[in-house]
Amino acid sequence: EADIYQTPRYLVIGTGKKITLECSQTMGHDKMYWYQQDPGMELHLIHYSYGVNSTEKGDLSSESTVSRIRTEHFPLTLESARPSHTSQYLCASSDIRDRDGHEQYFGPGTRLTVT
Amino acid sequence: GEDVEQSLFLSVREGDSSVINCTYTDSSSTYLYWYKQEPGAGLQLLTYIFSNMDMKQDQRLTVLLNKKDKHLSLRIADTQTGDSAIYFCAESFQGGKLIFGQGTELSVKP
Repeated sequence: EADIYQTPRYLVIGTGKKITLECSQTMGHDKMYWYQQDPGMELHLIHYSYGVNSTEKGDLSSESTVSRIRTEHFPLTLESARPSHTSQYLCASSDIRDRDGHEQYFGPGTRLTVT
Repeated sequence: GEDVEQSLFLSVREGDSSVINCTYTDSSSTYLYWYKQEPGAGLQLLTYIFSNMDMKQDQRLTVLLNKKDKHLSLRIADTQTGDSAIYFCAESFQGGKLIFGQGTELSVKP
């Protein structure tokens, strides 16, 4: 059973608001990831981290930012939400000892709607 | 570049076999995966195959890999209504990067 949590599960917010999507895992995984899942269902990697104080941008350009101050916590922030940010955001983690990121454990996702 | 393609929909009857197909472009991947996503949930790893293998069987699931054609398939035997979900094919590369397909929505009719 994967122990990775995301809050909130659903969020409807107005344009221009600042929001933070929370992701926490209790498995001690060093690697963590954020994916954006489009309405057409495809997942795109937007951020990843190999450990504390490590953050990298993914394949899909995103206006969001992330931080990794603690191993278990990988929050994603949007400074000023726009309707184009409406999407599902999935957080995942994997064990750094697994060189190929063999199994990524996914959280349940946050469905964000910006009005 | 890295690209993974899947057909978007598949409909089968309960008890039949389902075959979900995936093609990819980058042959330098280390592992190929099948993930399942149920409504409102995150992704769950179903099975995987190392890139130098041709086939892997795991209970009702059979994964076939044709490296020459860069084609991966997932066969679900005796498909049940509980198998209805979206199935994602993914490739992994060194460093743990995953590239996902668009997902195939499997609908199982009783």
